[in-house]
Amino acid sequence: GAVVSQHPSRVICKSGTSVKIECRSLDFQATTMFWYRQFPKQSLMLMATSNEGSKATYEQGVEKDKFLINHASLTLSTLTVTSAHPEDSSFYICSASGTASNQPQHFGDGTRLSIL
Amino acid sequence: AQKITQTQPGMFVQEKEAVTLDCTYDTSDQSYGLFWYKQPSSGEMIFLIYQGSYDEQNATEGRYSLNFQKARKSANLVISASQLGDSAMYFCAMREGRVGNAGKSTFGDGTTLTVKP
Repeated sequence: GAVVSQHPSRVICKSGTSVKIECRSLDFQATTMFWYRQFPKQSLMLMATSNEGSKATYEQGVEKDKFLINHASLTLSTLTVTSAHPEDSSFYICSASGTASNQPQHFGDGTRLSIL
Repeated sequence: AQKITQTQPGMFVQEKEAVTLDCTYDTSDQSYGLFWYKQPSSGEMIFLIYQGSYDEQNATEGRYSLNFQKARKSANLVISASQLGDSAMYFCAMREGRVGNAGKSTFGDGTTLTVKP
C-alpha cells in the first residue's frame, strides 16, 4: 500500500517554541493531505485539509495562525505549531489520499508533541 | 450531515474466537465508501477493509470481513480467529462521493478491542 512518512515521531520542547511536523507521501502524488489531532482514547479530530499549491482549509474552531499548514509540493505537507503552549500537547497525525470515496486514507505514524 | 456511530467503547474477546465490532452510519448520499482502520497503542492508523455503497457483496480481507447491511445503514467489522496482536482501537469511517467534499472522512469514536489469552 501507499506509504506516508511523518517526522518527527516525538517532540518535547519548551513553551513558546514553534514546532514543524513534516508529512511526505513516498510513493504517490498526494493532491490532498489531511491533518488530525487526537487526544488519548478519543477519535481523530480533523484540523485542516491541505491542497497542493493552495491555502489550507481549516475546520471550525482551529486557529489558522496557531497551526500553519503548507503544502508546497505533491509529496510534502507541513504543520507548524507556532508559539506552542502546554495545551497544544497532543498526538498529531497526517494522511494522504485521493479524494474519491473509494480510496482509503494512508496515514503517517503520527507525532507525539509534548510542550513543557 | 454524515455521522458514524460506534456504540461499543470497549470489547473483550478470547483468543481464537470471532468478534464483531458495530458501526452504523448516517448519510443522505447514495455514493459513499465505508472503511475500518486499526490503531495499535503505538499510534499508527492501519487500513483494514473497504466497502463501497454500491457493492452487493460483503468485503473480505483475510481474517477481516465487513457485514454490510445497507437498509439498516450498518457496516460491522467481523474479525475471525482473534489473535493477541488484534488488541487495538478500531475506527469505522465514511467518505462521501459528493463533489466539493474534498474527500474528508468522518470517523466514529472507536472501539477498544482487548484479546484475552
